[in-house]
Amino acid sequence: SQQGEEDPQALSIQEGENATMNCSYKTSINNLQWYRQNSGRGLVHLILIRSNEREKHSGRLRVTLDTSKKSSSLLITASRAADTASYFCATAVNQAGTALIFGKGTTLSVSS
Amino acid sequence: DGGITQSPKYLFRKEGQNVTLSCEQNLNHDAMYWYRQDPGQGLRLIYYSQIVNDFQKGDIAEGYSVSREKKESFPLTVTSAQKNPTAFYLCASSAGQGAGRPLHFGNGTRLTVT
Repeated sequence: SQQGEEDPQALSIQEGENATMNCSYKTSINNLQWYRQNSGRGLVHLILIRSNEREKHSGRLRVTLDTSKKSSSLLITASRAADTASYFCATAVNQAGTALIFGKGTTLSVSS
Repeated sequence: DGGITQSPKYLFRKEGQNVTLSCEQNLNHDAMYWYRQDPGQGLRLIYYSQIVNDFQKGDIAEGYSVSREKKESFPLTVTSAQKNPTAFYLCASSAGQGAGRPLHFGNGTRLTVT
C-alpha cells in the first residue's frame, strides 16, 4: 500500500539553487519523515514532522506539513553537488503496531 | 560505532534455491524491519518485528520468511516461492516499539536470481 507520493519524480538544478520536493499522502498520519538515499546505499533519516506541527527546520532543510491538504514539502536551500541523491517521504499512520510507509521518491541531481 | 550490518553486499543465486540475507544491529533497538526496493520504486515492507520471538507480515510477505531469536538479529529468507526475487533488500531498526519512530538503515543487499 503506497501512502506517500513524491513530486516531481526527478529534479535537476545548479549548485546554489533551492530544491523543493513535494509529498502527498492519503490517510491520517501521526508523523511524516523525510529520508535521503545515495545511490546503492541505505536510507538516512533527515527530519521528522509531527501531525500537529506546520514547519520544521534543520540546517539547510525546511519541511512543511499541511494536514488539511495531506501534503508535505521538503526544501533544500543553497544546494550542493553532494545533495545529489533520492529523497523519500515516509508516513506513520495512526494505528498501533504499524510500520512506516514510503513513497517512490524524488531523484535530485545537483550539477556544479 | 553503532549501526546495522547487512551481509553480503551482493548475492547471486540460481532460481529455485532459498537464500538467507543477514541483518545485525548493535543499536539495542527493539524493532527491526525488512524492505524491498525495485529500480525507480519506493520501499515496500516485507516483514517487521517489534520484539524478540514476534514478527508481522508486511505488504509483500509472500515467498519470504523471517526469524527473530535474538534482539540484534533479524535474518530474511527468500524462498523459491518468491516469484521475482531479484531486488535490493534493506534492513532497518528503530528504538522502542511504537510506530513512527525514525528508522536506521543498513546499506542493503543486492540479490540477483538467474
